[in-house]
Amino acid sequence: EAQVTQNPRYLITVTGKKLTVTCSQNMNHEYMSWYRQDPGLGLRQIYYSMNVEVTDKGDVPEGYKVSRKEKRNFPLILESPSPNQTSLYFCASSLPGYEQYFGPGTRLTVT
Amino acid sequence: GEDVEQSLFLSVREGDSSVINCTYTDSSSTYLYWYKQEPGAGLQLLTYIFSNMDMKQDQRLTVLLNKKDKHLSLRIADTQTGDSAIYFCAETSGGYSTLTFGKGTMLLVSP
Repeated sequence: EAQVTQNPRYLITVTGKKLTVTCSQNMNHEYMSWYRQDPGLGLRQIYYSMNVEVTDKGDVPEGYKVSRKEKRNFPLILESPSPNQTSLYFCASSLPGYEQYFGPGTRLTVT
Repeated sequence: GEDVEQSLFLSVREGDSSVINCTYTDSSSTYLYWYKQEPGAGLQLLTYIFSNMDMKQDQRLTVLLNKKDKHLSLRIADTQTGDSAIYFCAETSGGYSTLTFGKGTMLLVSP
């Protein structure tokens, strides 16, 4: 089944403790992206990647890192999480210029 | 940057038609999408339209595009309680360009 998977789905952590949210897709898509969704703000793009080893900042990249060492994986790294990074995170993938397929989301709470 | 605007909330009764509106500013938009997000779930592509089209119909869904006014609408005929969700309008210029989302319209369908 074609899908985008994210892990974990739920995470509660403390300020400053490094964490990684994994994202994997099995559709051989070149393009992958991370978004955060906050009430009243909609979806905002954090980082995106056009292909392996090619990443670029989205609208709200501060406090986040990504890597794209393999085509199927695009992990989101929070080196030192802070409470303002409490949010719902979505990973998405697509062929260039086509509709994006979204993962189920990761709800992160930073206390 | 480019902007996509939507009304935040729409309430209808079961069996009525729903119309969700969206305006965008990017004159180079090539593809326009409607995504649906059910509670606790990721985004699911509902339908899309190319910028050279005026209308697209897909079962109960009708998408109308007024490119001159940069206005997009989604009409849901015979709205059901299962249609209650958040609907996101999104646009892209295609290729490797990023997807710009509206803030989402929460549709509430009452019996």
